[in-house]
Amino acid sequence: GENVEQHPSTLSVQEGDSAVIKCTYSDSASNYFPWYKQELGKRPQLIIDIRSNVGEKKDQRIAVTLNKTAKHFSLHITETQPEDSAVYFCAASPGSNYKLTFGKGTLLTVNP
Amino acid sequence: DGGITQSPKYLFRKEGQNVTLSCEQNLNHDAMYWYRQDPGQGLRLIYYSQIVNDFQKGDIAEGYSVSREKKESFPLTVTSAQKNPTAFYLCASVQTGGNTIYFGEGSWLTVV
Repeated sequence: GENVEQHPSTLSVQEGDSAVIKCTYSDSASNYFPWYKQELGKRPQLIIDIRSNVGEKKDQRIAVTLNKTAKHFSLHITETQPEDSAVYFCAASPGSNYKLTFGKGTLLTVNP
Repeated sequence: DGGITQSPKYLFRKEGQNVTLSCEQNLNHDAMYWYRQDPGQGLRLIYYSQIVNDFQKGDIAEGYSVSREKKESFPLTVTSAQKNPTAFYLCASVQTGGNTIYFGEGSWLTVV
């Protein structure tokens, strides 16, 4: 089955700096890669996703890049703000059944 | 997100008891999922169902059971065979052919 590795497990940045979280996946059949933000005790919220026919996608301060050859994808947050502090999860899915496999998460702390 | 309702939000179980977590969606989604989240960990798939009257085991199905008698409902039973059930349980759904997986607000289960 699919295996998703996520790094780092914790990340602390100063407000205004950029943050990068990286994930690798094992199943070459995976073609859908969402990123979720989860605040303490709440449900994960989708923040951005990318499909394997696209190499990069941006949405305001958030971007995701995908390297299919290397089987890795990354989340980039620019101009970080304290409200960006949360746990971020990457995931991968083959798409045929939308069965998501998640990474273990990254706790991002943005210091004012 | 508001179209998926999980109940109860908090549940306490005595050892040896079975408990059932409810998940209802009014999004007309075909596929539904149950994930388990332990503190500081990612989400692990318990069971999923792509169509009424059909479901498949995920990565950690032992000690759990599900049913899918109606499209909008996918209840999860945590049986006494699940030796370490204390966790945060998340239900999710997606429309076949769609992009986004939606999560319910989650249910906290504690063994007392």
